Order: sequence, then structure tokens, then C-alpha cells
Amino acid sequence: QQQVKQSPQSLIVQKGGISIINCAYENTAFDYFPWYQQFPGKGPALLIAIRPDVSEKKEGRFTISFNKSAKQFSLHIMDSQPGDSATYFCAASRNAGNMLTFGGGTRLMVKP
Amino acid sequence: ETGVTQSPTHLIKTRGQQVTLRCSSQSGHNTVSWYQQALGQGPQFIFQYYREEENGRGNFPPRFSGLQFPNYSSELNVNALELDDSALYLCASSPAGQVYGYTFGSGTRLTVV
Repeated sequence: QQQVKQSPQSLIVQKGGISIINCAYENTAFDYFPWYQQFPGKGPALLIAIRPDVSEKKEGRFTISFNKSAKQFSLHIMDSQPGDSATYFCAASRNAGNMLTFGGGTRLMVKP
Repeated sequence: ETGVTQSPTHLIKTRGQQVTLRCSSQSGHNTVSWYQQALGQGPQFIFQYYREEENGRGNFPPRFSGLQFPNYSSELNVNALELDDSALYLCASSPAGQVYGYTFGSGTRLTVV
């Protein structure tokens, strides 16, 4: 059972545009929601994370928006750059637990 | 400070064989988690080792097993390899048995033929 659903599967954005990736979860016990960035041949690297007690978190050009009632969260990349071209994964964890449940990934391409 | 290192980077095995993958954790991290990432999919949790004991397991059969050593490094062993075991195997280290501060290695690409 896929507990974290991610969309879209792929995304093409012009340089300077806004990239938006969405995730929905089912398990209301989840309380930690990180986003990871993965380049080809590399492992995922943590970008930004949020807890459900806040509705938004911003770090530089990256913002997470969180909607607890809808069980959805999203990643916004402002002023997207070609160097942002990578695969992005949302994930969720329960009670600071020992495992992350990942979404299926979004392949982002930023055109110059 | 060194990051997470995995070896080998690539591996080709025949169906039915056994394989051992290795992971050295980041300095200061005492917990190692293993994930399987099939092509085009998100990583799936295999298991975690904390204080040299298995500390949680995902939906993987017993032919997937592991070890953690006193220096916190870890091994993932897979017996009776199947074609569907072909994937990128990721190791992540973290402090104190939790997901906060996960640092992933670059993975081992296993191909089963």
C-alpha cells in the first residue's frame, strides 16, 4: 500500500519559473515530512523538512506548504535554475520513527 | 568529517547467487538504515541497525539480512538473488536510531541477470 502519493511524475519549468510538487499521505500518525533531492548516480540529499504544527517553512528558494486537514504537503522552488534539475522525493515518518516512507518521485527539468 | 561510503558502486550477479553490500556510516552516527530503490521509484525501507541490533524492518523477505559492527559500519546480505532484486541499494546513517539527520550514501547498483 502506497502511503505517500507524489505528483507530477515529471515536470518541465523554464528558468526563473516556479516548480511545484505535491504529495498526499494517508497515515495521520505521520509527523515529520522531509523533501529530498537526488541527482543521477547519487543518494538522496535532504533539502527541507516540516512538522505538522506549522503550515509553511521557507529555506532560501525552497518552501514547504503543509495542509494537515487535507493530508497534503507541497514543495515550491522559486526562481528555478537549471542546476535544480534532479529528481525530488517527498517522504514521511511516524513519531520520529526509524523509517521513512517515500513518494514515487518527480523528475524536474529546468530549461535555460 | 567523512560522509556515508558504500561499496562496491556497481555489481552484477547471477540469479540464485548471494551478495554482500557494505556501508560505512558518517562520523558520529551510530545508526544505519538500508533502502532499496528500484528504477524510477522512491526508496523502500529494508531495515535499520542500531547498537548492532535490527531496529525495525520493512516488507522484505528473510533472505535480506544485515549486520552492524562495533564501529557502526554495516553489511546488507541478500541470498538466493532474484531478477527483481536489481536496484540501487542505499545506506543512510543517522544519530540515535531516528530519521532526523539521515545522510545517504551514493548507493550500490546491483544488477541480477
